[in-house]
Amino acid sequence: GDSVTQTEGQVTVSESKSLIINCTYSATSIGYPNLFWYVRYPGEGLQLLLKVITAGQKGSSRGFEATYNKEATSFHLQKASVQESDSAVYYCALSDQSGTYQRFGTGTKLQVVP
Amino acid sequence: NSKVIQTPRYLVKGQGQKAKMRCIPEKGHPVVFWYQQNKNNEFKFLINFQNQEVLQQIDMTEKRFSAECPSNSPCSLEIQSSEAGDSALYLCASSRRGNERLFFGHGTKLSVL
Repeated sequence: GDSVTQTEGQVTVSESKSLIINCTYSATSIGYPNLFWYVRYPGEGLQLLLKVITAGQKGSSRGFEATYNKEATSFHLQKASVQESDSAVYYCALSDQSGTYQRFGTGTKLQVVP
Repeated sequence: NSKVIQTPRYLVKGQGQKAKMRCIPEKGHPVVFWYQQNKNNEFKFLINFQNQEVLQQIDMTEKRFSAECPSNSPCSLEIQSSEAGDSALYLCASSRRGNERLFFGHGTKLSVL
């Protein structure tokens, strides 16, 4: 079936350092899924961070970037310089084109330390 | 900011009791999803609606779970006879289309004792 894998449950990064959070997907029943990154800040609801619907393209928001790599079936989230305010849980997700469902990874908790 | 409203925020039930939670989707969003997020942070899709019609639901939902999205009323998810394994965060989300971004509520945290 279709699925999303985030291998790191938690990542700790020093402030101003770079970040990469891994996401790979399996889309056996979907040719070209839409890919998303959602974020849950402490005390808040889950919200969209960025979205890419075309293979090969990059999405960006709030200094974060992710590239839709169809060959590697990956959608890694990157940021060049993290801040303490980026501490949150990040979820990778995919949807099929018809939108009957969205599948989520198990999330990666980012802790940014001074 | 999302305007999906979920109530209650916390729900405590004994085994065998009914548990009901509600969701008001964002205005203008005809598609509503319900997910269960367990203690391992795994999301399990339960059911989704377009307007008042069920689009898709999993087998689990068809047995003890029931859900509806009546017009002019909040959507609801009800567990007829709660089990310990139902303890989880139940998330409601809405969107203009199912393959677009989802707007989530804060969730209802259900604890079945």
